This record gives sequence, structure tokens and C-alpha cells, in this order.
Amino acid sequence: AQSVAQPEDQVNVAEGNPLTVKCTYSVSGNPYLFWYVQYPNRGLQFLLKYITGDNLVKGSYGFEAEFNKSQTSFHLKKPSALVSDSALYFCAVRDDSGAGSYQLTFGKGTKLSVIP
Amino acid sequence: DSGVTQTPKHLITATGQRVTLRCSPRSGDLSVYWYQQSLDQGLQFLIQYYNGEERAKGNILERFSAQQFPDLHSELNLSSLELGDSALYFCASSARMGNEQFFGPGTRLTVL
Repeated sequence: AQSVAQPEDQVNVAEGNPLTVKCTYSVSGNPYLFWYVQYPNRGLQFLLKYITGDNLVKGSYGFEAEFNKSQTSFHLKKPSALVSDSALYFCAVRDDSGAGSYQLTFGKGTKLSVIP
Repeated sequence: DSGVTQTPKHLITATGQRVTLRCSPRSGDLSVYWYQQSLDQGLQFLIQYYNGEERAKGNILERFSAQQFPDLHSELNLSSLELGDSALYFCASSARMGNEQFFGPGTRLTVL
């Protein structure tokens, strides 16, 4: 079974500093990895995905993520945090083992607070 | 705006009642997914449809059912509601199975 772990419930970072939100995964086949962001009282917004290829994936709003197969990690990063980045971030995995099921398994989410 | 619409935005009902949540996917998307988000369970996959056919089931209770219609909109039916069914219910769609999913704004269900 596939699973995702986000080890930090909350991350605090000062505005202008780099930010990292951590994610580790477990799948039986090839991982398809996603990051989503949720603002209060809103749906989830797609940020970026890793399917194959370059281990550094660039996404929306200046976010990027680094895929590390040996550490089974897919950490979300941004070089300079903005107050408007404060939100709930979800990592998700889709197992590409060919079983025919394409649902996403989400982590519990990490609340990011960017302090002015 | 993701292009996925959900109605209603809020729903307040009583235990034992039945409700229907509606979702319209992005134009051209054939795949629809339903998720439940609650404080204690997090985001959980319920069920997936592709072009009218059920493709995958997750942690969906027997009291819950869904369908996807020929115009590709989908409905999630929740019956014999319990207090614990109070949650945010999201619909998502994707162009093809396995592509990134785009989420609607959700329906907040409160069962009193």
C-alpha cells in the first residue's frame, strides 16, 4: 500500500528566508508525487508534480521540489518565503504499479506560517 | 479558479437524513474523484469515476454512494447521516486517469 508522511505539523519561517516542507513516501511501484496547497476555506490547488526525469521540479508561485529516490523524499522548497505563502500544504502520492487505481494518497498536511 | 464546481457550498442537516452533493468537472475531464476532509481523518479518497464508470473505491461507507452521469457531472449521495459525517467533501477532476487532479471548492457538510 502507498503512503505519505509529512513529519512536521507546522513550519514557521521568517519572510524572505528559504522554506522547506518535508515529505517522505512509500510505494510499491514507481512514484508519482504531487504537492498541493490549501488556503483557508478553499479547495486544494495543484502546485507541482514529479513523474520522471529531472529530480528538481519547478512549479507554481516560485515553488520547487526535490525528488530523492534513495531517501524516498519529495521536499517542497522556496528560496524566499512570502507572507502570502502561509497555508496548509499537502504532499500526495499516486502508485504507478499498474494496478489500475489512480487515486491520490495524501499526507496529513503541514501548516506553513510565514512571519513578517 | 480550478474550473471544477461544487454545489452547495454549505449544507446543514440532521442525523438520519440524506443529502446529495453535486460536482461538475473541468470541461473535457473524464475522471472524477471524491474526497472527504475531516480534522481527525485528514484527506481521504472515497471513490473515482471515469467516463461514467466506477474505477476505484477507497474508504467509502456503505451508506455513501456516487454516480457519474452522461454529461460527466457527478453526485455523491450520503444517507443515514451521523454526526461523524460532518466534514468537507471535495470533488476533483483530471483529463486522464493519473494526471494531476484539480479540486473544487468543496461542500462543507454539518450534521446536527
